[in-house]
Amino acid sequence: KNEVEQSPQNLTAQEGEFITINCSYSVGISALHWLQQHPGGGIVSLFMLSSGKKKHGRLIATINIQEKHSSLHITASHPRDSAVYICAVNPSGGSNYKLTFGKGTLLTVNP
Amino acid sequence: DAGVIQSPRHEVTEMGQEVTLRCKPISGHNSLFWYRQTMMRGLELLIYFNNNVPIDDSGMPEDRFSAKMPNASFSTLKIQPSEPRDSAVYFCASRVAGKSYEQYFGPGTRLTVT
Repeated sequence: KNEVEQSPQNLTAQEGEFITINCSYSVGISALHWLQQHPGGGIVSLFMLSSGKKKHGRLIATINIQEKHSSLHITASHPRDSAVYICAVNPSGGSNYKLTFGKGTLLTVNP
Repeated sequence: DAGVIQSPRHEVTEMGQEVTLRCKPISGHNSLFWYRQTMMRGLELLIYFNNNVPIDDSGMPEDRFSAKMPNASFSTLKIQPSEPRDSAVYFCASRVAGKSYEQYFGPGTRLTVT
């Protein structure tokens, strides 16, 4: 079992829809990251969280440390949001420099 | 400010050839990571440098892979000899250790070994 599990693996939405991507992890963490990767493109850090909630434009990320769960929400989705969204965690302890990655969620937003 | 710079962006080579990938971290960042991304295995950490010193190379697949960081502004990842199974996208990332866990990724090098 992976230490970081994402769901769904694939998600197709119509433009304007509200989107939620989930991430569950099984280890203690120092931080959790949401990353975005466009097809054939580089990796961009969207959020880094250790508690609570963060918002940037139409994107919102939340984390529940007790439940070991995080969600990424996209409001008013747009075709340009089509990308792979990757959840990653820094485990707590001596190896906290390492990122453990989920397998990613492929989001397709149709016009 | 320039982000993490990687070169080349694309590399096509024949099996058995030596391949060198290059990375320039963000100025002032003291930690550097090399990752490999494949469809089958996703993103994997290959090696981690802190203050130019390799701290964790447990992800380096085998002796054919080597990485160096001769100074704070340059790192190389070398594969010799290359094999078709090395085909992947290789990312370099940097951060300021001790200040933030956020990593800044380069654009990646897409390596194809035929």
